[in-house]
Amino acid sequence: NAGVTQTPKFQVLKTGQSMTLQCAQDMNHNSMYWYRQDPGMGLRLIYYSASEGTTDKGEVPNGYNVSRLNKREFSLRLESAAPSQTSVYFCASSPWSPISGANVLTFGAGSRLTVL
Amino acid sequence: AQTVTQSQPEMSVQEAETVTLSCTYDTSESDYYLFWYKQPPSRQMILVIRQEAYKQQNATENRFSVNFQKAAKSFSLKISDSQLGDAAMYFCAYRARSGYALNFGKGTSLLVTP
Repeated sequence: NAGVTQTPKFQVLKTGQSMTLQCAQDMNHNSMYWYRQDPGMGLRLIYYSASEGTTDKGEVPNGYNVSRLNKREFSLRLESAAPSQTSVYFCASSPWSPISGANVLTFGAGSRLTVL
Repeated sequence: AQTVTQSQPEMSVQEAETVTLSCTYDTSESDYYLFWYKQPPSRQMILVIRQEAYKQQNATENRFSVNFQKAAKSFSLKISDSQLGDAAMYFCAYRARSGYALNFGKGTSLLVTP
């Protein structure tokens, strides 16, 4: 019962470096999400993928790209990291469909990223 | 755009007492869902309770209950018989029925004292 798995859990980057955060879920969920959490700001949506093959911008997409590799995996890429991207990143998934109910999000454990 | 407001950055409660965390939201939708998530120091996001807007009855989950006031756009969380393990950051969240993602408030840090 792994749920949502994120890697890495911790990463330190220098300004301008690139990296990819990986996320995989084993619950056969349709939808996947990337959020960032900053002190005093709550969780803000970066990108989401409503279903395999689609991705859409959230509230704070600048500086990020995503790939929905298949139904299980949804990666987040920082092409040129900036100190403002220092944050905790959460991946989540849900069994969203147009006719279903509350579609509760299941979250990964988070990835703490520091950009120097 | 929908906004979720948690006006209490920090709250404190004594063990075994009751505490209420406030949440208001702004939306033009009539059908939506509301959630409370708990984030303990482990950082894991844990669903506490959820409410469907078309249900007038307030949701309850053991010691956790909500006071859902649709007209006032208010969704408060009541924790009864508080335990040390309830200490965490609590986030209120909203999702329109037709929407995909959750919109979160900024959170309330709950401290539980012995």
